[in-house]
Amino acid sequence: SQTIHQWPATLVQPVGSPLSLECTVEGTSNPNLYWYRQAAGRGLQLLFYSVGIGQISSEVPQNLSASRPQDRQFILSSKKLLLSDSGFYLCAWTLPGAYEQYFGPGTRLTVT
Amino acid sequence: AQSVTQLGSHVSVSEGALVLLRCNYSSSVPPYLFWYVQYPNQGLQLLLKYTSAATLVKGINGFEAEFKKSETSFHLTKPSAHMSDAAEYFCASQSQNTGFQKLVFGTGTRLLVSP
Repeated sequence: SQTIHQWPATLVQPVGSPLSLECTVEGTSNPNLYWYRQAAGRGLQLLFYSVGIGQISSEVPQNLSASRPQDRQFILSSKKLLLSDSGFYLCAWTLPGAYEQYFGPGTRLTVT
Repeated sequence: AQSVTQLGSHVSVSEGALVLLRCNYSSSVPPYLFWYVQYPNQGLQLLLKYTSAATLVKGINGFEAEFKKSETSFHLTKPSAHMSDAAEYFCASQSQNTGFQKLVFGTGTRLLVSP
């Protein structure tokens, strides 16, 4: 069966510091991968998606970036965090042609 | 552009009462529709999905939803609420026309269950 991991589970970072969040999927190959952000009291905002290694599409212009160095690894990064980057970051995957997305456990980021 | 509206940011029910969470979609072509549940500090779990087959869809934990094209709705119901159902619920849609799967989420409804 497929599983999706995210780490770290929680992170507290000062403004201006760098960020690296990691997501890995097991038990499948060539998944489509997604990064979402969930701000307090709001819905989910799609940040990036990827259909393959090195292929990244950005949905929202901001100071975040994403990379996919391996088939089942998706990384969310920032060079300098802003207060507004605080939130709950969720990674998700789906198989090409499938309908539903499956979500990881999330990373709670607090920028202070 | 497609959109999803969830009526009511909070819904309160008593244990054993009917649960009804409302979702309306806006799309020129009926989309695929999903309900997800999120417990505190956890990821989203798929409850059920509508993919143009049966209009009444049964999911996990006793939930079901009915797709009504005439009302552009996909409301989530459960006959009898349990305390463990307290969580946030998200309705989401995905266009059948696009070649890549992007979900559009509603803003969520928090379900509160009282003893």
